[in-house]
Amino acid sequence: DIQMTQSPSTLSASVGDKVTITCRASQNIDAWMAWYQQKPGKAPKLLMYKASSLENGVPSRFSGSGSGTEFTLTISNLQPDDFATYHCQQYDSYPWTFGQGTKVESK
Amino acid sequence: QLQLQESGPGLVRPSATLTLTCSVSGASVNSDSDYWSWIRQPPGKGLEWIGYIYYSQTTNYHPSLNSRVTISIDKSKNQFFLELTSVTAADTAIYFCAREMAGFDHWGQGILVTVSS
Repeated sequence: DIQMTQSPSTLSASVGDKVTITCRASQNIDAWMAWYQQKPGKAPKLLMYKASSLENGVPSRFSGSGSGTEFTLTISNLQPDDFATYHCQQYDSYPWTFGQGTKVESK
Repeated sequence: QLQLQESGPGLVRPSATLTLTCSVSGASVNSDSDYWSWIRQPPGKGLEWIGYIYYSQTTNYHPSLNSRVTISIDKSKNQFFLELTSVTAADTAIYFCAREMAGFDHWGQGILVTVSS
């Protein structure tokens, strides 16, 4: 299985900050990476696919980059609605696998 | 608008079989462009992909669950199903059904299944 390692596990930030979350894959996944936002008691919401493609309806302050084994999700100008847990997921090789999650909390 | 809704028992006895239904509206499970998946999340933990079914009945399961899991489809009811046998406390989780295109773009709200006697 491809292991996905996210860092940090928790991130404290303020409204207006620029936030960067990193996800590393244990082997090359090209650009087959998705990012999700999850709020307590809710299902994950797809933010990005193919590493840098923004899902319809997702604000442009979210951006993704990377290829191969290292990827980042950036939130510029953090908004109150962005405090949540973020998950990365590879869909290069089965079984699909997720990172352990990064919680973005209010500083 | 595509919607998915999980249903099934919230409590399952150890060694029993867990069976869940995902009802789909706003899209057809008979579509050749979509994969219909189950994903679970133990309380307070990360997400684990369980497997998918395609309209052609092709399935693909997580190797760690392969001997215990079956995903099936009922095109007439626009539903797909998860069956997990010989459950233990380690199978306690929120179970989500989801549609996959590029990433999982639509999810059900999830159903908490607790394995306990």
